[in-house]
Amino acid sequence: EVQLVESGGGLVQPGGSLRLSCTASGFTFTTYGMHWVRQAPGRGLVWVSYINFDGSDTRYTDSVKGRFTISRDNAKNTLYLQMNSLRVEDTAVYYCVRGRGPGMGFDPWGQGALVTVSS
Amino acid sequence: DIVMTQSPDSLAVSLGERATINCKSSQSVLYSSSNKNHLSWYQQRPGQPPKLLIYWASTRESGVPDRFSGSGSGTDFTLTISGLQAEDVAVYYCQQCYSPPYNFGQGTKLEIK
Repeated sequence: EVQLVESGGGLVQPGGSLRLSCTASGFTFTTYGMHWVRQAPGRGLVWVSYINFDGSDTRYTDSVKGRFTISRDNAKNTLYLQMNSLRVEDTAVYYCVRGRGPGMGFDPWGQGALVTVSS
Repeated sequence: DIVMTQSPDSLAVSLGERATINCKSSQSVLYSSSNKNHLSWYQQRPGQPPKLLIYWASTRESGVPDRFSGSGSGTDFTLTISGLQAEDVAVYYCQQCYSPPYNFGQGTKLEIK
């Protein structure tokens, strides 16, 4: 079964840092690009970041550039999102998602990790 | 950036009837080299992560019931649910997979009338 499991969410003060992890199983992790997508409480989906299969190419939405870093460890089948200088508006459920190939959408999605930024 | 706009924001449809959701992109998402539209549709039921329904604008994901269909090209797309069932109550999102940032529409909430 293809599966993505996020961990590392929690409560952090504004200006603080947090690292999310996503462990993949059931597919050849090293051949897929991966994404992070977030959803603030009661709001819609927002694409956050992308990393290609070997980590040589990364992309970010403007609101997190310079603060968030996406990375991967293919030996551990794990995707990461290092989040620094967190803001209240970063509060959201963060989903780890597999990119399926050119134009083929995102699937599967993890269950999500809740990040709450509050004092 | 490509902006995705869905309409309506919400709709209520009777069981067994047809639901239609529209999605418009601010620029074409048709990839000329492949002649495929990089447009996907997702369903998000309450308390669940999103689920991929349709990719390449009209290709149904494996296991998705055939009452779900996608159409359109270029900048204008439609998700149609024929014969609405109770389990179709959800929020539906379109997304462009053409270029980063891979923006989503704002979502359309579908309810039973």
